[in-house]
Amino acid sequence: LAKTTQPISMDSYEGQEVNITCSHNNIATNDYITWYQQFPSQGPRFIIQGYKTKVTNEVASLFIPADRKSSTLSLPRVSLSDTAVYYCLVGDTPYGGYNKLIFGAGTRLAVHP
Amino acid sequence: EAEVAQSPRYKITEKSQAVAFWCDPISGHATLYWYRQILGQGPELLVQFQDESVVDDSQLPKDRFSAERLKGVDSTLKIQPAELGDSAMYLCASSLAAKDRPPERSYEQYFGPGTRLTVT
Repeated sequence: LAKTTQPISMDSYEGQEVNITCSHNNIATNDYITWYQQFPSQGPRFIIQGYKTKVTNEVASLFIPADRKSSTLSLPRVSLSDTAVYYCLVGDTPYGGYNKLIFGAGTRLAVHP
Repeated sequence: EAEVAQSPRYKITEKSQAVAFWCDPISGHATLYWYRQILGQGPELLVQFQDESVVDDSQLPKDRFSAERLKGVDSTLKIQPAELGDSAMYLCASSLAAKDRPPERSYEQYFGPGTRLTVT
């Protein structure tokens, strides 16, 4: 199973850009990289997903280098409402094509005024 | 926007009692997941359904936990008997994942608000 490593916590201030890097040295050829966000007392929410290079949506950007052994989630100009836990996941397909998400402890991002 | 529904939102029960949680996935989502999340940790997959069939229950403590999705729509997760260590948030999620669909779609899961279980 591909395992991910990300910082336990990060602090930032409103208006700054936040980059959270995740390492996944054993990523398999057909694995996708996915990021989720979770607020207290809520279920996780899908943010972004990518396979290689760069992906951007209305919420974030995801940068994946050519070797795919790491990825960086970029949140532009964060606000207080971006305070949450961010999970980096690498998909695993052990059961005949049914992909499985393995959540780690995530990165607790605290945005300060 | 369609959402995954779960009930109850909160449940307090005594150890050795039975407890059940209900989940209604987003309409049209073939795959349904039950996760358990202990405070301070990430969600852990307990069971995954494809329609009415279980495709992964490797982490489900089968001596006390059971899950069903009889008609391939809503699902129930049961614990009997409950133990103190079962206190956690129980999350249900659904996705469009299916064997005949692009694999990347299965990583986009939609989570419900969860059921907070406290066992005393």
